[in-house]
Amino acid sequence: DIQMTQSPSSLSASVGDRVTISCRASQGISSYLNWYQQKPGKAPELLIYAASSLQSGVPSRFSGSGSGSDFTLTISSLQPEDFTTYYCQQSYTTPWTFGQGTKVEIK
Amino acid sequence: QVQLQQSGPGLVKPSGTLSLTCAVSGDSVSSANWWNWIRQPPGKDLEWIGEVSHSGNTNYNPSFKSRLSISVDKSKNEFSLNLSSVTAADTAVYYCARLGVHSDYALDFWGQGTLVTVSS
Repeated sequence: DIQMTQSPSSLSASVGDRVTISCRASQGISSYLNWYQQKPGKAPELLIYAASSLQSGVPSRFSGSGSGSDFTLTISSLQPEDFTTYYCQQSYTTPWTFGQGTKVEIK
Repeated sequence: QVQLQQSGPGLVKPSGTLSLTCAVSGDSVSSANWWNWIRQPPGKDLEWIGEVSHSGNTNYNPSFKSRLSISVDKSKNEFSLNLSSVTAADTAVYYCARLGVHSDYALDFWGQGTLVTVSS
């Protein structure tokens, strides 16, 4: 199985901050990397697919980059509704696997 | 807009079978997309369970393979999960989701989630 490792596991930031979350795959996965946002008690929602494509309806402050085994999710200016948990997921080969999540908390 | 509506019991006895159904609207299970199940134990991370295509082809997580069955019902436009021989370790929120061909095989639409507790 491909292991996905996110860093950091949690971070503290303020409204308006620029935030980056990293995701590393245990082997190369080309650009088959997706990012999700999950709010408490809710299903995850797709933010970014294919490493850098913004899902329809997602605010442009979210962006993704990377290829191969190293990827980044960037939130350019944190908004109050962005304080929640983010997951990466590889869709290169089954079993699809997720990172352990990054919780973005209010400083 | 694609919507996935989950149904099924929230309590299953140990050694029993966990059965959930996901009804699809706004898309057809006969489309080229794949139909997935994912679970999340309380306070823990997401774990992929398996998926089914319109033709009934399946991919399963090897962790579940011996006790897992995922099927599609085109007449009802829904797909189902059956997980047998459950234990307390199978207690989790279970999600259905669409793996979209137009989103490069990302999980682009999700059901609302069903908390399934395994307990006598």
